[in-house]
Amino acid sequence: GDSVTQMEGPVTLSEEACLTINCTYTATGYPSLFWYVQYPGEGLQLLLKATKADDKGSNKGFEATYRKETTSFHLEKGSVQVSDSAVYFCALTPLPRGGSEKLVFGKGTKLTVNP
Amino acid sequence: GAGVSQSPSNKVTEKGKDVELRCDPISGHTALYWYRQSLGQGLEFLIYFQGNSAPDKSGLPSDRFSAERTGGSVSTLTIQRTQQEDSAVYLCASRGMAGGWQEHFGPGTRLTVL
Repeated sequence: GDSVTQMEGPVTLSEEACLTINCTYTATGYPSLFWYVQYPGEGLQLLLKATKADDKGSNKGFEATYRKETTSFHLEKGSVQVSDSAVYFCALTPLPRGGSEKLVFGKGTKLTVNP
Repeated sequence: GAGVSQSPSNKVTEKGKDVELRCDPISGHTALYWYRQSLGQGLEFLIYFQGNSAPDKSGLPSDRFSAERTGGSVSTLTIQRTQQEDSAVYLCASRGMAGGWQEHFGPGTRLTVL
């Protein structure tokens, strides 16, 4: 079945450091790929997405590129802020969205950014 | 409000008791999902509704878990004879045309089984 593997945390960085959170996937067909973020005490929010190979999703300074050849969707940010401290989840849905319709999530990576 | 709401936000119960968790999706969203977030297990899919029917119940962990949706709107997740391993945050999400066919998640219900 479909699955997502993301790097285990926790990750601790200093403000303005570079961030990469690795994510790889296994899926039949051509999934859509997502990064969700969960800030402390808040609900899960979509951060960015990509729906086809070579697409780059970007939001709030974060970006991730859909790499079909390496089945990867790594999350990157050039300069993190304290406010980026959160848990980040990589996820996929199959395309076309028929059948189960569910999101398949990685286990999450907790990021802490220190001033 | 315009978002997905869930109630209660926190629930503490004793082992063996039944609990009901409620989800109010965004108005007009036809798709509704329940997920469970627990330490070490990440986010696990439980059940998917399209309208009032549930074409995918594959994530329900046992027959103690059931869910229904009425009027294409509110959904209730019921856990019978709760066990300590049921302790988790239960998340609801809805999806529809309003919102660009992207999942919108509720704040979750934190269930603690003593």
